[in-house]
Amino acid sequence: GAVVSQHPSRVICKSGTSVKIECRSLDFQATTMFWYRQFPKQSLMLMATSNEGSKATYEQGVEKDKFLINHASLTLSTLTVTSAHPEDSSFYICSARVIGRALGGEQYFGPGTRLTVT
Amino acid sequence: AQSVTQLDSHVSVSEGTPVLLRCNYSSSYSPSLFWYVQHPNKGLQLLLKYTSAATLVKGINGFEAEFKKSETSFHLTKPSAHMSDAAEYFCVVSEETSYDKVIFGPGTSLSVIP
Repeated sequence: GAVVSQHPSRVICKSGTSVKIECRSLDFQATTMFWYRQFPKQSLMLMATSNEGSKATYEQGVEKDKFLINHASLTLSTLTVTSAHPEDSSFYICSARVIGRALGGEQYFGPGTRLTVT
Repeated sequence: AQSVTQLDSHVSVSEGTPVLLRCNYSSSYSPSLFWYVQHPNKGLQLLLKYTSAATLVKGINGFEAEFKKSETSFHLTKPSAHMSDAAEYFCVVSEETSYDKVIFGPGTSLSVIP
């Protein structure tokens, strides 16, 4: 149980184009999903908290107009990297909390999406 | 401010020998603590978690960790390393102002020598 999927697993795009990454909770509902970014050999940095039916909350230094987040249902959140540039190349990971679980509980992570901008 | 420190960026052990990955945290309250493992180019898998119950927590794959409040530590151990344990390990603490959010440590890369 508590499986999170991401699609695509890998994507290569040209500079200036936009890329959408999907995060789905497959066997549970999640009012809250999280988007992280991970550079090579570094830890995960939280980009934003995605709340179903409301606007996402972005961490300091993350451009909300560049990283568009939509949480349209209790099982799907999307991250769109707009006008991508080579410096946006990274490993993007989403996670979700199981709805109804006590706060402070674990998050379940997706397998990640490797974005390469050429 | 909260923080998580993983004292070793890289640990190397021989197969069959014990593993110790160290984690210290700072928090003004009793947080939830987690250890996650990440294999190359993969997502994260939860190894174990502490949420104010028993201080010695047993996880998957033979790992365990002990919460020591007096030392603000949550070190991860395993009696006998296996080749498949080679991966990146992250100590994670729930954030003080928002239990939904977590803070990741910098990670420890574990190598297992045959």
